[in-house]
Amino acid sequence: AQSVTQLDSQVPVFEEAPVELRCNYSSSVSVYLFWYVQYPNQGLQLLLKYLSGSTLVKGINGFEAEFNKSQTSFHLRKPSVHISDTAEYFCAVTLNQAGTALIFGKGTTLSVSS
Amino acid sequence: DAGVIQSPRHEVTEMGQEVTLRCKPISGHNSLFWYRQTMMRGLELLIYFNNNVPIDDSGMPEDRFSAKMPNASFSTLKIQPSEPRDSAVYFCASSFTEADTQYFGPGTRLTVL
Repeated sequence: AQSVTQLDSQVPVFEEAPVELRCNYSSSVSVYLFWYVQYPNQGLQLLLKYLSGSTLVKGINGFEAEFNKSQTSFHLRKPSVHISDTAEYFCAVTLNQAGTALIFGKGTTLSVSS
Repeated sequence: DAGVIQSPRHEVTEMGQEVTLRCKPISGHNSLFWYRQTMMRGLELLIYFNNNVPIDDSGMPEDRFSAKMPNASFSTLKIQPSEPRDSAVYFCASSFTEADTQYFGPGTRLTVL
């Protein structure tokens, strides 16, 4: 069965600094990968997803992620963060097979301060 | 489209009472998911439906929890009897297929006293 691990539970950074949120997955077959963001008191919303093709995926709000099959990783990056990026970020994986749904990681809290 | 609609947004009840949470998925979506989020356990998938049929309910904590989807536009999650440890935010999400992008509702914050 597939699983996903977010390596950092909390990431504090200063405004305008670059950030990387790490995500590793385990699966013996091809997967689809997602990053979601949850702002305070809201539901999750999609940042970006990898289904196939180019391993560098660009999402909303200036975020991007790179699919690395050999390292089974899908790290999320942003070159310069804003205060408004403060939120919880979830990595998720699925096998795209009947009877399987998204498996979410435990989340990484990104705190951006001035 | 209005997105996924959940009601109520907040629910405060006393231990032992029945609680019913409601969800209206996005029109045209075939999969519906119920999640629970707490500080201790994070985001947990409780159950999901494809075409109104429950596919995986392995995340349902115990027999006190039940979920139904009588038609493509409505689902309920019921807790009977409720306990303080059920206090959490419950999210409903929908998608075209079970592996597709999920769209989340705003959640129902449940407090059981």
